[in-house]
Amino acid sequence: QKEVEQDPGPLSVPEGAIVSLNCTYSNSAFQYFMWYRQYSRKGPELLMYTYSSGNKEDGRFTAQVDKSSKYISLFIRDSQPSDSATYLCAIPAGGGNKLTFGTGTQLKVEL
Amino acid sequence: DAGVTQSPTHLIKTRGQQVTLRCSPKSGHDTVSWYQQALGQGPQFIFQYYEEEERQRGNFPDRFSGHQFPNYSSELNVNALLLGDSALYLCASLLAGGPEQYFGPGTRLTVT
Repeated sequence: QKEVEQDPGPLSVPEGAIVSLNCTYSNSAFQYFMWYRQYSRKGPELLMYTYSSGNKEDGRFTAQVDKSSKYISLFIRDSQPSDSATYLCAIPAGGGNKLTFGTGTQLKVEL
Repeated sequence: DAGVTQSPTHLIKTRGQQVTLRCSPKSGHDTVSWYQQALGQGPQFIFQYYEEEERQRGNFPDRFSGHQFPNYSSELNVNALLLGDSALYLCASLLAGGPEQYFGPGTRLTVT
């Protein structure tokens, strides 16, 4: 079983839709949960991260962690064509906080 | 405030050759991690440098080596290149002990 699993998509939604992106993880000791956005042929950009359980909101983005289910989500409200990218969940672990990534979900927001 | 920078942007090498990639971390960061990202996959951790020492290493062969300089910049060296080494190589910088890691734009390596 992979440490972090993510549906690769692709996911296609109309402009203005609410998008839900999800990951599951296997190690209950994980504490931090990160979301990165990666545009084609660019480096990943840190969107937000949460510590332990609960929700965190930043503008149109909400990150949610359910530690009992080992399930993390990123919601995007009022999605825009500029949100079209690959979204990667990542979990830091170990003394140096090496990141373990999901495979990424490719999102396309259509006009 | 300059973010993480990497050079070169693109590189084409032949099997068996050696390559060196460079990274300058975000201002104030003292730790550099390197990742390999194959097409359609998430980045895979190669190794991390802190205080000029390799602190952690992922499942990569010894052909992959690195270095960190006193100014915290870092190099990734790959010897005896294989076709399978073709990927986007990403550098991430962080402040030791913190969770936030910021990535550079990457170096796209093509091995022919």
